[in-house]
Amino acid sequence: DAGVTQSPTHLIKTRGQQVTLRCSPKSGHDTVSWYQQALGQGPQFIFQYYEEEERQRGNFPDRFSGHQFPNYSSELNVNALLLGDSALYLCASSFGTGEVAKNIQYFGAGTRLSVL
Amino acid sequence: KNEVEQSPQNLTAQEGEFITINCSYSVGISALHWLQQHPGGGIVSLFMLSSGKKKHGRLIATINIQEKHSSLHITASHPRDSAVYICAVRFFPNDYKLSFGAGTTVTVRA
Repeated sequence: DAGVTQSPTHLIKTRGQQVTLRCSPKSGHDTVSWYQQALGQGPQFIFQYYEEEERQRGNFPDRFSGHQFPNYSSELNVNALLLGDSALYLCASSFGTGEVAKNIQYFGAGTRLSVL
Repeated sequence: KNEVEQSPQNLTAQEGEFITINCSYSVGISALHWLQQHPGGGIVSLFMLSSGKKKHGRLIATINIQEKHSSLHITASHPRDSAVYICAVRFFPNDYKLSFGAGTTVTVRA
């Protein structure tokens, strides 16, 4: 049973470019959350997708957008990259229904984005 | 403001020592998670707590809801326990996201 898979593992971009990161959830999961983790800090919530809709969003600018596909996989898009967008981007999957408090999020290994 | 604070930021121990990491949060939560992150980034969920105490192998997690505080203990620490340990919570009433502490970097020397 594959866990959460993310691609690519590493990425180098320059300022102003656009990037797309991909995530496949753990088998049977229907919800995908994206987090940004800057060096030496805890992850920060970007947004969560459930039933192909953005269900909750953190304090990130509109340059950060996403999508969820019918097979529950998800993409994170970042436009007009800034140096400060350099970070580890983590995807987590879970069940979207039932008691929220009991839903464990399973994390992928992350995509490390460097913006030069 | 919903906040999660961890202490200490860094911790070095000798193999075999007992380790404690603390987490406090500002407002009511529905669940608290302890996570482990190794170099390279991957995060593994260790515990999910809403009350009381849980034990898995040499790891013990406790939570005091009234005091808004949780601790993660590592007994008989081993160099392979070296990692970043992160506390994360779901705030009331039904927050879908996890809010994370900054993490505690644990180094266990042989």
